[in-house]
Amino acid sequence: GQNIDQPTEMTATEGAIVQINCTYQTSGFNGLFWYQQHAGEAPTFLSYNVLDGLEEKGRFSSFLSRSKGYSYLLLKELQMKDSASYLCAVRPMDSNYQLIWGAGTKLIIKP
Amino acid sequence: DAGVTQSPTHLIKTRGQQVTLRCSPKSGHDTVSWYQQALGQGPQFIFQYYEEEERQRGNFPDRFSGHQFPNYSSELNVNALLLGDSALYLCASSLAGQRDTQYFGPGTRLTVL
Repeated sequence: GQNIDQPTEMTATEGAIVQINCTYQTSGFNGLFWYQQHAGEAPTFLSYNVLDGLEEKGRFSSFLSRSKGYSYLLLKELQMKDSASYLCAVRPMDSNYQLIWGAGTKLIIKP
Repeated sequence: DAGVTQSPTHLIKTRGQQVTLRCSPKSGHDTVSWYQQALGQGPQFIFQYYEEEERQRGNFPDRFSGHQFPNYSSELNVNALLLGDSALYLCASSLAGQRDTQYFGPGTRLTVL
């Protein structure tokens, strides 16, 4: 089967750093995505990793290890507006079009 | 530059009824994917349309059907509604050949009573 695991909920303090982990087991691998979703809104694209290593984009970075089936999203200098759900999604090898999604990690930022 | 739009925003139906949801892709995009997102869950892939044909389908029954029009807009139809069909239905558009990023619409919240 195909499975993506993320922590259900995390809490962090404004100005701090938080790492959200994602592990996956899919039928092959053809890219991993991170999306941000505020309550009641559509997911918005954050990052895409297809090769091992770290991709940095402003305050957000995403890391991938294909051999370990593992990724993380790193958020720095946390702001209150970062309170949202963060969704990890994988494109399996046997699909050019479908994404398999995790249930998302609800991140709560406290002052 | 218009983003992905969906209509209606909210919809309430009763069991056994039929519903049609609509999506207009981001300007310049030609591919539309539909997802179902239950509360507290990640999106589940329903199907994808390209060149007016269903290109791939997820694990959803035949009650779920769709269509893509020549202007790339798309419809999702659900027949014989069940209580379990209550969810947020998301449409995402992308450009064929640029699979890296899907842009999502605001979604349609469907409640089945």
